[in-house]
Amino acid sequence: EDQVTQSPEALRLQEGESSSLNCSYTVSGLRGLFWYRQDPGKGPEFLFTLYSAGEEKEKERLKATLTKKESFLHITAPKPEDSATYLCAVRWGNTDKLIFGTGTRLQVFP
Amino acid sequence: AAGVIQSPRHLIKEKRETATLKCYPIPRHDTVYWYQQGPGQDPQFLISFYEKMQSDKGSIPDRFSAQQFSDYHSELNMSSLELGDSALYFCASSNGQLNEKLFFGSGTQLSVL
Repeated sequence: EDQVTQSPEALRLQEGESSSLNCSYTVSGLRGLFWYRQDPGKGPEFLFTLYSAGEEKEKERLKATLTKKESFLHITAPKPEDSATYLCAVRWGNTDKLIFGTGTRLQVFP
Repeated sequence: AAGVIQSPRHLIKEKRETATLKCYPIPRHDTVYWYQQGPGQDPQFLISFYEKMQSDKGSIPDRFSAQQFSDYHSELNMSSLELGDSALYFCASSNGQLNEKLFFGSGTQLSVL
């Protein structure tokens, strides 16, 4: 069964302590891997889309990378305002919908 | 900039009642997606529309129906509500079916008592 799995489920970091979030997928015919940020009670906010293995994208303290089986979201020197749930989603085959993983809840403490 | 507008923001219903959720996409966006997110869960795809036609269907119960109107707004109709329907319902819109960016609304929090 096609799946999107994120790890860890929760991550607590000290301000400035860099780390990485993982998203592994088993879909065939990937047509895009997406990263979203979601704050409590709000809709997901688009961060990145990656299309092919080896691709990298950066935005402020965030950097997303993609391999054939997984994606990493690297957070460099995080700040408390980076605290949120980070969702990974994939689009594959002939469908236009996104299938989401369960997310990583990130908390950054001052 | 205009965002995706969802109404109502909160909705409280009793079992077996009906509910209608509305979604107004970003202007000139022709594709709408509906997602259901339970507490601590990932968003689950329900249904999508492109140019007023259903384009894809996910885990949407038969008790639910949806449509996209000529002005591109969409409504999700839910009947015979069950306790398990309590969730945050998100609408997202995009310009075109395969656009990489889906813009999400703030959601409608449905509570079924």
